[in-house]
Amino acid sequence: QKEVEQNSGPLSVPEGAIASLNCTYSDRGSQSFFWYRQYSGKSPELIMSIYSNGDKEDGRFTAQLNKASQYVSLLIRDSQPSDSATYLCAVKPYNTDKLIFGTGTRLQVFP
Amino acid sequence: SAVISQKPSRDICQRGTSLTIQCQVDSQVTMMFWYRQQPGQSLTLIATANQGSEATYESGFVIDKFPISRPNLTFSTLTVSNMSPEDSSIYLCSVRESPGATDTQYFGPGTRLTVL
Repeated sequence: QKEVEQNSGPLSVPEGAIASLNCTYSDRGSQSFFWYRQYSGKSPELIMSIYSNGDKEDGRFTAQLNKASQYVSLLIRDSQPSDSATYLCAVKPYNTDKLIFGTGTRLQVFP
Repeated sequence: SAVISQKPSRDICQRGTSLTIQCQVDSQVTMMFWYRQQPGQSLTLIATANQGSEATYESGFVIDKFPISRPNLTFSTLTVSNMSPEDSSIYLCSVRESPGATDTQYFGPGTRLTVL
């Protein structure tokens, strides 16, 4: 069983729409959750971190966490072509310093 | 966040040789990590670089193949030894700036390695 699962996509949305990216994880004791964006040929850059159940908003991005369901999501409002990238979900399991990454979801925003 | 640089940014190497990748941070950080990203894949942690002691390796990675040094709180190296084409990957250094509430890791620009 994979520890962090994401749909590989591609997820295609029109410009201006809301993109919804989902991630599930297996370690129920995990406390820290991250979304990274990775453009082709570049390294991952942090978009959001979330630690508590509920929503966390930062500009056009909203991270949602539901620990009971072991589910974390990222919503991108008013999607732009520049948002086209691979989005990586990362989870820090309990009592460890490392991050476990999902395989990433490729997002395509078309004009 | 800390500014992280890696050298080289890319290299093409021959089978059987070794390459040392450097990771430099502009401020002292508590933790440094080395990841591998194979073509079309996600990130896999190779090891945690410990300052002043041996690195902590993940399952499937061994010190003889991936020796790591971390002489101080701003610098680390990863060597890919006795390379084969299967080692062709992007190698990424990441740092965690401080302990406590945030576990955020920030990534360097990566080193793209091609082994012929």
